[in-house]
Amino acid sequence: SQELEQSPQSLIVQEGKNLTINCTSSKTLYGLYWYKQKYGEGLIFLMMLQKGGEEKSHEKITAKLDEKKQQSSLHITASQPSHAGIYLCGAVPSGVSGGYNKLIFGAGTRLAVHP
Amino acid sequence: NAGVTQTPKFQVLKTGQSMTLQCAQDMNHEYMSWYRQDPGMGLRLIHYSVGAGITDQGEVPNGYNVSRSTTEDFPLRLLSAAPSQTSVYFCASSETSVLTDTQYFGPGTRLTVL
Repeated sequence: SQELEQSPQSLIVQEGKNLTINCTSSKTLYGLYWYKQKYGEGLIFLMMLQKGGEEKSHEKITAKLDEKKQQSSLHITASQPSHAGIYLCGAVPSGVSGGYNKLIFGAGTRLAVHP
Repeated sequence: NAGVTQTPKFQVLKTGQSMTLQCAQDMNHEYMSWYRQDPGMGLRLIHYSVGAGITDQGEVPNGYNVSRSTTEDFPLRLLSAAPSQTSVYFCASSETSVLTDTQYFGPGTRLTVL
């Protein structure tokens, strides 16, 4: 079955530092989502990428999908304590029966931002 | 709009008991789904529905039943709870396909099976 690998598993940074989280698949993805989850709460939608080479930004967060549509990165510039939480990538897999109706998720990256 | 709502927020069951987790959305979304989230494993799809009367299995459907009699509601039934079903359950909905439309998640139900 297709899997999404997220790295790193956890990250501790000093406030103001930049950071990058990666999401990698062994197969082509048909859509890539980034979500943020605060501890013990639901998922908050950040961005969706669909086209190879696509890049989107919202405030201090930028997400990119590579040309092959197998890897995505999430970059946070000048991190703040409010950025702390779990970042999850989700994707529509290829080659799966009914795949257009299914999302698979990575295990998540836990981010802590220290003042 | 209330978005996606889930009840209850917390539940403790004994092994063998049955229960229904409720999920409702007021956005007239066709697509609804249930996930479970376990430590270190991300979210795994249990069942999904592309419209009223239509349901299908996800990655981990065993031990769970669903039905979709209305567009708004998508309940998840545990027929005979097992400790392995201890998890946090999330319901989500999107306008149509997950390929093109944002999925909105509910706040989750934390279930413990003793």
